[in-house]
This record gives sequence, C-alpha cells and structure tokens, in this order.
Amino acid sequence: AQSVAQPEDQVNVAEGNPLTVKCTYSVSGNPYLFWYVQYPNRGLQFLLKYITGDNLVKGSYGFEAEFNKSQTSFHLKKPSALVSDSALYFCAVRDGGFQKLVFGTGTRLLVSP
Amino acid sequence: KAGVTQTPRYLIKTRGQQVTLSCSPISGHRSVSWYQQTPGQGLQFLFEYFSETQRNKGNFPGRFSGRQFSNSRSEMNVSTLELGDSALYLCASSRRDQNTGELFFGEGSRLTVL
Repeated sequence: AQSVAQPEDQVNVAEGNPLTVKCTYSVSGNPYLFWYVQYPNRGLQFLLKYITGDNLVKGSYGFEAEFNKSQTSFHLKKPSALVSDSALYFCAVRDGGFQKLVFGTGTRLLVSP
Repeated sequence: KAGVTQTPRYLIKTRGQQVTLSCSPISGHRSVSWYQQTPGQGLQFLFEYFSETQRNKGNFPGRFSGRQFSNSRSEMNVSTLELGDSALYLCASSRRDQNTGELFFGEGSRLTVL
C-alpha cells in the first residue's frame, strides 16, 4: 500500500523567513503526490500536485514542492512565510482509487509576526 | 462557481442512533468521495462514487454506507452510532475524466456522538 509520512507535528517560522514542511513517501510504481492545507473549522484546500514531469512543482499562494525520487521526499516550501500561512498541512498520495488518497498525519505550521 | 456543499454542518446524536450526511458536488463533477477526520486516526478514506456506483471502499465497518444519485449528489449513512464515530466527515468531488487527481473538499459535517 502507498503511504506518506510527515515527521514534524509542528513547524515554527518567523514571518518573512523561508519555510519547509517535510513529507516522505513509500509507493510502488509512480507516485501521485499532493499537498493540501486546512484552516480551522474548514475543509481541505488543494495546494499542488506532482504527477510527472518537472521535479519542482509550483502551486497556489506562492507554495512550491520539490519531488526527490532518490530521497523519496516531497517537501513543501515557500520562500517567504506569511502569518496567514499558519494552518494544518497534509501531504497525500493516491492509493489505487481515483479519489482514494492516503494522507499523512499533518503538520501544523505556525508563522509568528 | 459554487463549491462542494455539505449538510448539515454540525449535528449531535446519541449512541445507537443513525445519521445521514449529504454532499452536493461542484457542478460538472461526477466523482464523489468521503473521508473521516479524527484527532486520533487522522484523515481516512471511506468510499468513492462515480456514476452512481461505488468504485472504492475504505476499511470501515458495514455500519458506514453511502450512495450517489443520478445528479451526482451523494449521501453517507452511519447506523448504530458509536462514540468513536464522532468526527469531521469530509466530502470531495472531482472531474474524473481529467484524471488530474486534485480533489475539491467541502467544509465538512461535524458529528458528535454522545
């Protein structure tokens, strides 16, 4: 079965600094990888995806992610964090079904002013 | 364009009761899936529907069921509620023909079982 791991429960960063939220994956075959964000009492919002092609994927709100096959990682990055980026971030991988995603445990990002 | 609409947003039930949650996908989206989110288990896939047929099912007991209607709207039902069923239930939709993978989620139905 496909799986993803998010090793950090929380990431703290100061506004204006770069941020990284880590994700590693374990899949058989080619991975379909995603990042979603969840704000309090809200559903999940799609940020970006890797299907195939360039290893650097650009997404919404200035986020990007780097697919690294040798390290089986798909870390989420942003050059300059905003306080409004504070939220819960989930890495996910498609697992067999078209809409069947396996999610990581989530990383809470806290951006301080 | 309206997003995924889930009703009700909040509900409280007691053990042993049953509950039905509703989901209206984005117009033009024919694929619908359901996820359960709890603090302990995180986000877990429940089921996926396309063209009124269940295409995939997660590892949940038979008390959890769902269906999809001809207009792509979907419902899920949980019978004989247990305390552990307290969760945020999220519905997602997508255009299956695009095969691009991203899901569009509703804001969820928060179920509390007392």
